[in-house]
Amino acid sequence: QSALTQPPSASGSPGQSVTISCTGTSSDVGRYDYVSWYQHHPGKAPKLIIYDVTKRPSGVPDRFSGSKSGNTASLTVSGLQAEDEADYYCMSNAGKDPYVLGTGTKVTVL
Amino acid sequence: QVQLRQSGPGLVKPSQTLSLTCAISGDSVSSSTSVWNWLRHSPSRGLEWLGRTYYRSKWYNDYAGSVKSRITVSPDTSTNQFSLQLKSVTPEDTAVYYCARDPGYAISIFDIWDQGTMVAVS
Repeated sequence: QSALTQPPSASGSPGQSVTISCTGTSSDVGRYDYVSWYQHHPGKAPKLIIYDVTKRPSGVPDRFSGSKSGNTASLTVSGLQAEDEADYYCMSNAGKDPYVLGTGTKVTVL
Repeated sequence: QVQLRQSGPGLVKPSQTLSLTCAISGDSVSSSTSVWNWLRHSPSRGLEWLGRTYYRSKWYNDYAGSVKSRITVSPDTSTNQFSLQLKSVTPEDTAVYYCARDPGYAISIFDIWDQGTMVAVS
């Protein structure tokens, strides 16, 4: 099972929005509504911020939102803040492969 | 509050076995809903899921194809821990290793992670 494709980097100024794509295939992202997103500050534990494509765990700000169209899922961070600068990873279920991870995107707040 | 705490050596020699343990607090390795996982991150391979163990009337394990011939993930119910053993390591196995919980209330998510352990193969 190949990794899901994410852009290596994305950036935005404070207050702006940034959207990160996560492209898979009809066997994973396109087939199941089981896409999750993780925020990772280096040296810390990764944090679940979106699951089931659009759901936010308790405590995650509504500035984080998820969506999906066809084989591509997206994470949008609205109202960018300095603390949003981190690496972001998507993940999908792919049937026989329970966890297929994305290549990761480094978000920079300018 | 569920927490995971990993332990193990930070340096392993090539051809030897990498062994890490993840201690669980606030949940049980024998939970009928939770699934216990190992992942790793390296600059060359990105974030990669390695394997998992879980209990559903009996113990189950699943492994990523890339490491299937070398990996064992096993529970220890007496200490409420689970472990990773990766045999015949090479420098390619140098990575930050994470243990993580899939809570079972949704499909394929990791809601609890530890902070990771850097393991160098040299």
